[in-house]
Amino acid sequence: NAGVTQTPKFRILKIGQSMTLQCTQDMNHNYMYWYRQDPGMGLKLIYYSVGAGITDKGEVPNGYNVSRSTTEDFPLRLELAAPSQTSVYFCASIEGVLLYNEQFFGPGTRLTVL
Amino acid sequence: LAKTTQPISMDSYEGQEVNITCSHNNIATNDYITWYQQFPSQGPRFIIQGYKTKVTNEVASLFIPADRKSSTLSLPRVSLSDTAVYYCLVVTNFGNEKLTFGTGTRLTIIP
Repeated sequence: NAGVTQTPKFRILKIGQSMTLQCTQDMNHNYMYWYRQDPGMGLKLIYYSVGAGITDKGEVPNGYNVSRSTTEDFPLRLELAAPSQTSVYFCASIEGVLLYNEQFFGPGTRLTVL
Repeated sequence: LAKTTQPISMDSYEGQEVNITCSHNNIATNDYITWYQQFPSQGPRFIIQGYKTKVTNEVASLFIPADRKSSTLSLPRVSLSDTAVYYCLVVTNFGNEKLTFGTGTRLTIIP
């Protein structure tokens, strides 16, 4: 299993541009999460999904959108990028429906908005 | 969500046992305690989780007193490679719970 994969690894955007951060997991996990991590800070939840077709907002959803058309994929869309969205973005998934189960994290996408 | 409080940073020498305590005064009956480790430029990695008393795995031990208002992650005989940020999470075991990571404890191991 590749686990959780994210693309791209790095990206530089200009203010106002849009992009999609890709996240794929091959473990057939139902629960998937998007976090952002600013320098020296903890992770903040952006959006999460409990299964295909079901998504919900986390702590910091403004400026982002998600979709979950398949179990495997959970893309994060940035519309009208702003400097405040400069961060490292992590995708994660959990096996089953027990939230205290291990979260498997991807390697992250480092995004800079200039 | 149960709020957690951890020390911001800790230093320790190689070979020593390190204990990181997390306070979670408003933990609920259905909540579990989970710890993650994060190295620079990597996603967090699961270390251990528990509900009460003591849990041990090949990496760490987790001590939870009877009132469950705090927990202590114990790392035996640390090495330089244990330098990382350690996060304590309190997680409800059902429902659409929003998982929350705090700022964690930055552990620095000194040679």
